[in-house]
Amino acid sequence: QKEVEQDPGPLSVPEGAIVSLNCTYSNSAFQYFMWYRQYSRKGPELLMYTYSSGNKEDGRFTAQVDKSSKYISLFIRDSQPSDSATYLCAQRRGYGGSQGNLIFGKGTKLSVKP
Amino acid sequence: EAQVTQNPRYLITVTGKKLTVTCSQNMNHEYMSWYRQDPGLGLRQIYYSMNVEVTDKGDVPEGYKVSRKEKRNFPLILESPSPNQTSLYFCASSAPGQGTDTQYFGPGTRLTVL
Repeated sequence: QKEVEQDPGPLSVPEGAIVSLNCTYSNSAFQYFMWYRQYSRKGPELLMYTYSSGNKEDGRFTAQVDKSSKYISLFIRDSQPSDSATYLCAQRRGYGGSQGNLIFGKGTKLSVKP
Repeated sequence: EAQVTQNPRYLITVTGKKLTVTCSQNMNHEYMSWYRQDPGLGLRQIYYSMNVEVTDKGDVPEGYKVSRKEKRNFPLILESPSPNQTSLYFCASSAPGQGTDTQYFGPGTRLTVL
């Protein structure tokens, strides 16, 4: 089983829809999770990170971790065409302040239609 | 402007011809990393470096070399490239202790090995 699993999509939604992007992970030892956004022909950029369980909100974006089911989610409210990108979830292997390795999911390609 | 730069951005080469992809960051980051991104496989880490003269293998290091002689530079070396190394390569950097793993990615290098 891959350490971080993500449905590659593609996912197509109308503008204004609520988008739910999901990943599962297998290694419970590491509790830092990130969401990266990658536009076409660009490098990934960090969107949000969460630690352990719970929710974290930033504007239209909410990241959620469910430790019991080993599930991480990213919700996008009032989706915009500018949100069209590939979204990558990642789990950090490592402890404390050290960087460790990032294990990425395969990415979900999202398209928001005007 | 804080950034990670990679050169070249595009490269077509032939099997066995040694090549180097350069990576440089101007943020004084200790941690640097190389990834490759392939359709259906996502982002996978090749090598990473915690600091000058400190490097370690990631998940897919075979066929690659790296060196970290200066803090700002982290070149990726392919001594004898093969067609299975055709891929999109990203360099990334971050600072330790942030906990967030805000890895800043370069723009990518698209490599084709014939």
